[in-house]
Amino acid sequence: KQEVTQIPAALSVPEGENLVLNCSFTDSAIYNLQWFRQDPGKGLTSLLLIQSSQREQTSGRLNASLDKSSGRSTLYIAASQPGDSATYLCAVISGGSYIPTFGRGTSLIVHP
Amino acid sequence: GAVVSQHPSWVICKSGTSVKIECRSLDFQATTMFWYRQFPKQSLMLMATSNEGSKATYEQGVEKDKFLINHASLTLSTLTVTSAHPEDSSFYICSARDPRDPANYGYTFGSGTRLTVV
Repeated sequence: KQEVTQIPAALSVPEGENLVLNCSFTDSAIYNLQWFRQDPGKGLTSLLLIQSSQREQTSGRLNASLDKSSGRSTLYIAASQPGDSATYLCAVISGGSYIPTFGRGTSLIVHP
Repeated sequence: GAVVSQHPSWVICKSGTSVKIECRSLDFQATTMFWYRQFPKQSLMLMATSNEGSKATYEQGVEKDKFLINHASLTLSTLTVTSAHPEDSSFYICSARDPRDPANYGYTFGSGTRLTVV
């Protein structure tokens, strides 16, 4: 059974810092991996999706990497802003069911 | 991109009543939709997979008679919480996968429904 772990659980940083959020998974036979953002009381917004054959994806200040063999993905946020404050969730889609397994998320606060 | 609309955003109901939550795929047809439940500061727990034209597949531990799922069309799935009790209070989110983009199999989520049972 796939298990997804996200570290750290919470992070509070001053504006402008570069951040790294970590996601690890136990079964490397994945189809793809997706990073989401969730604002309080809101649904999920997809940030980046990395297919199993890819090593990284970039969108603006966000960069996500994938190392399937070691069961890890990182989300890099450059020059953090207060508007980046949210919970970031990692979801792993395994082959077969194609249903994502979520980590518990990293709660990020960027203060001015 | 794919859009999933969920309604209502929040609902307060009395204990013992039933509540229906709708999930619509606006610009694509979804033969499969997924219903999740999220407790405070917890991750998303898959409750059931909704299949158009057939019975939903429920995850272990989820009561079928409590959480009724209907997927009558390719763009609409509904979750009805029957005889709701305060312990059913939670955040419910639906999701669908756009079949037009099979290579990515990316999931799109609704905005969620905050259910409070008093």
